[in-house]
Amino acid sequence: AQSVTQPDIHITVSEGASLELRCNYSYGATPYLFWYVQSPGQGLQLLLKYFSGDTLVQGIKGFEAEFKRSQSSFNLRKPSVHWSDAAEYFCAFINFGNEKLTFGTGTRLTIIP
Amino acid sequence: DAGITQSPRHKVTETGTPVTLRCHQTENHRYMYWYRQDPGHGLRLIHYSYGVKDTDKGEVSDGYSVSRSKTEDFLLTLESATSSQTSVYFCAISESTRYRAMDYGYTFGSGTRLTVV
Repeated sequence: AQSVTQPDIHITVSEGASLELRCNYSYGATPYLFWYVQSPGQGLQLLLKYFSGDTLVQGIKGFEAEFKRSQSSFNLRKPSVHWSDAAEYFCAFINFGNEKLTFGTGTRLTIIP
Repeated sequence: DAGITQSPRHKVTETGTPVTLRCHQTENHRYMYWYRQDPGHGLRLIHYSYGVKDTDKGEVSDGYSVSRSKTEDFLLTLESATSSQTSVYFCAISESTRYRAMDYGYTFGSGTRLTVV
């Protein structure tokens, strides 16, 4: 079945350390892939997306993600996290033709001083 | 988020009562969606609409119905609320993936927290 998987439910990182959140997809063709962030009690904000072309995508708030077809992955990275990055992060893909966005189960990020 | 509002923001209702949540957009986007968010499940699609009076089911549609009588409004109705429908409900809007514009993406509302007691 077409899906995205986020293997890490919860990650804790020290402020200033680097971050990588994992996302694996299962899809027959190259999907549109997205990363969203949700701060506590808030809605979802788009961080970045991949459609085609350059496999390294830059987003807002200093985040980037790399599409790797050989590994079916679209991992989110940030070189140095800030306390304000504490949130839940969702990977998602869209199914061409039916326009439906399918989400992973999310990774909750905790930042420690 | 600009251009999309959900009402109410919070609601407590009793088991067995009907409940309607409203999503209103000012972006004139074709597609509208209702998701529910539960711990450990991420966001799951309940129903979506691809035009006025055109709707279809998502993966968790049982117990829910929707209506879209005009472009800007998408209503989600719980026919007879149950405790398992306690959740946070998000509405989203989008244009078609065929546009593949640089600014393409879903825009989400701020959510409705529904508690069924």
